[in-house]
Amino acid sequence: AQKVTQAQTEISVVEKEDVTLDCVYETRDTTYYLFWYKQPPSGELVFLIRRNSFDEQNEISGRYSWNFQKSTSSFNFTITASQVVDSAVYFCALSEDSNYQLIWGAGTKLIIKP
Amino acid sequence: KAGVTQTPRYLIKTRGQQVTLSCSPISGHRSVSWYQQTPGQGLQFLFEYFSETQRNKGNFPGRFSGRQFSNSRSEMNVSTLELGDSALYLCASSLAGSSGGGDTEAFFGQGTRLTVV
Repeated sequence: AQKVTQAQTEISVVEKEDVTLDCVYETRDTTYYLFWYKQPPSGELVFLIRRNSFDEQNEISGRYSWNFQKSTSSFNFTITASQVVDSAVYFCALSEDSNYQLIWGAGTKLIIKP
Repeated sequence: KAGVTQTPRYLIKTRGQQVTLSCSPISGHRSVSWYQQTPGQGLQFLFEYFSETQRNKGNFPGRFSGRQFSNSRSEMNVSTLELGDSALYLCASSLAGSSGGGDTEAFFGQGTRLTVV
């Protein structure tokens, strides 16, 4: 069955530190999509990235980077030089080609202290 | 371009009552998906509507229902409310019918926080 595990419930770092949020997924589909969303206190889910299963290239967007490794079924998210505004809950999600609905991890609460 | 609008933002209802939540998607988007977020169960998919038809459904009881109008606005209804229905209900708007996933970007609203007392 499909599943997304975010083992880190909460991470607290001091501003300017680098931080990595882990995401491990399970699926039997060969075609699937992985997502990261950010949920600030306002509640809305903000889309950060989508990756399909055939694209294992790592991606960098400013201070954000993502490491997709099919061999370990992981899709980790790194924030470099963290800022207080990065404080939020971050969700990793999986969507299979056989059923597009999003399967969510439990989320990681990230606290960036000034 | 206006984002996804959910109304109301906050709602308090009594057990046994029913409630209707509304979601207005981004202009031009034909798909609306609904998700429930609770501290215990996390985020769970409720259902998706695309061009006024329910395309996909999660594992929720029949008390949870929805519909979509010709202007793509969607409503979600919960009947005979239970305490466990207290949650943040989020809707996602997308161009294609992908239940928020797939190869299509979904845009979420700020949600409706429902409290059942």
